[in-house]
Amino acid sequence: DGGITQSPKYLFRKEGQNVTLSCEQNLNHDAMYWYRQDPGQGLRLIYYSQIVNDFQKGDIAEGYSVSREKKESFPLTVTSAQKNPTAFYLCASTLRQGYYGYTFGSGTRLTVV
Amino acid sequence: LAKTTQPISMDSYEGQEVNITCSHNNIATNDYITWYQQFPSQGPRFIIQGYKTKVTNEVASLFIPADRKSSTLSLPRVSLSDTAVYYCLVGNTGFQKLVFGTGTRLLVSP
Repeated sequence: DGGITQSPKYLFRKEGQNVTLSCEQNLNHDAMYWYRQDPGQGLRLIYYSQIVNDFQKGDIAEGYSVSREKKESFPLTVTSAQKNPTAFYLCASTLRQGYYGYTFGSGTRLTVV
Repeated sequence: LAKTTQPISMDSYEGQEVNITCSHNNIATNDYITWYQQFPSQGPRFIIQGYKTKVTNEVASLFIPADRKSSTLSLPRVSLSDTAVYYCLVGNTGFQKLVFGTGTRLLVSP
């Protein structure tokens, strides 16, 4: 079945550490996105990528980095510069042509310990 | 991007019909209206999408008036499992940076 796989489901990070969240899709979607969600809040866009080897900052990119070396993969690194990284992180993808809506992964819950 | 406004929360009982209205006064001619459902600790799930008039699928109906400045998501005979947050979004291509507001938190009680 096609879909988006995020891993791990839960992640714990120590202060000062970088961690990388994985996002893989087998939907042949062109665009991929990373969102952050805090308790009781909506989703805020961190980074997005429309094609391989290209990506743009979203509304809250500070303290995060991404890469898009393959069409199916869009990993997110939460760096030590992100002062409040504890949140629920969601990856999404969509087709390039037309407007078919987003497909989301099941999310990664990151906690700083 | 067209901004949307929807109620913060709604309460209902099992078996009732629930209508959630979304206002999008600045919708563009080529914008579509899409609704998503999100359960706790899960990613949002596509429910329904429409451009004008009425769209119905196995889960919900979407009513869009002629001026398209609002839309109403209708959930027939809700059950406890429909308790979730519902987001209304407006956009015209898959590339847009969709803006998710806080959505409408629907609580269905027995």
